[in-house]
Amino acid sequence: AQSVTQPDIHITVSEGASLELRCNYSYGATPYLFWYVQSPGQGLQLLLKYFSGDTLVQGIKGFEAEFKRSQSSFNLRKPSVHWSDAAEYFCAVGTTSGTYKYIFGTGTRLKVLA
Amino acid sequence: EAQVTQNPRYLITVTGKKLTVTCSQNMNHEYMSWYRQDPGLGLRQIYYSMNVEVTDKGDVPEGYKVSRKEKRNFPLILESPSPNQTSLYFCASMPGTTFNYGYTFGSGTRLTVV
Repeated sequence: AQSVTQPDIHITVSEGASLELRCNYSYGATPYLFWYVQSPGQGLQLLLKYFSGDTLVQGIKGFEAEFKRSQSSFNLRKPSVHWSDAAEYFCAVGTTSGTYKYIFGTGTRLKVLA
Repeated sequence: EAQVTQNPRYLITVTGKKLTVTCSQNMNHEYMSWYRQDPGLGLRQIYYSMNVEVTDKGDVPEGYKVSRKEKRNFPLILESPSPNQTSLYFCASMPGTTFNYGYTFGSGTRLTVV
């Protein structure tokens, strides 16, 4: 069955430090992969997506993610975190098995220390 | 401005009293969907619609109804709300049956059923 796992429920980093949020997926075909960010009291906003081609994709707000097929991973990274990055981050897989559908991970809540 | 508008943002109701949460998008998107977000469970799809008059169940449809009479509107109906439907609800839309652009999410509706 298709699934998305975000193993870290909470992550705390200091402002200016680097960040990596982990995402593992289970899907038989080449996946459509996404990262969304949810700021407090807001809906989700698309950070970046991967469909094919270059496995390192750039997104908004200075984020990037790398697709590694051999590890079934799509980890999100940022070289230097800003206090405004504190939010909840969701990894998602888009599937087309029968119908178009997203499968979301359970989210990672990021806390940034000043 | 391209957006998905949900109303109301907050709602407290009593068990059994029918309610409707409205969702409207101004982007001419074919695909619309409702999700509920619960702590530790991420986002779970309730219903989706691939176009006018075409709706289908998601992963957690019990206790909910939807309709898609117009392209822009996709209301979520709770005929007889129960406390286990207390949650944060999101409406989302995307163009056609393609993941190329990702979802546009509404700001959410926080529902409390007492």
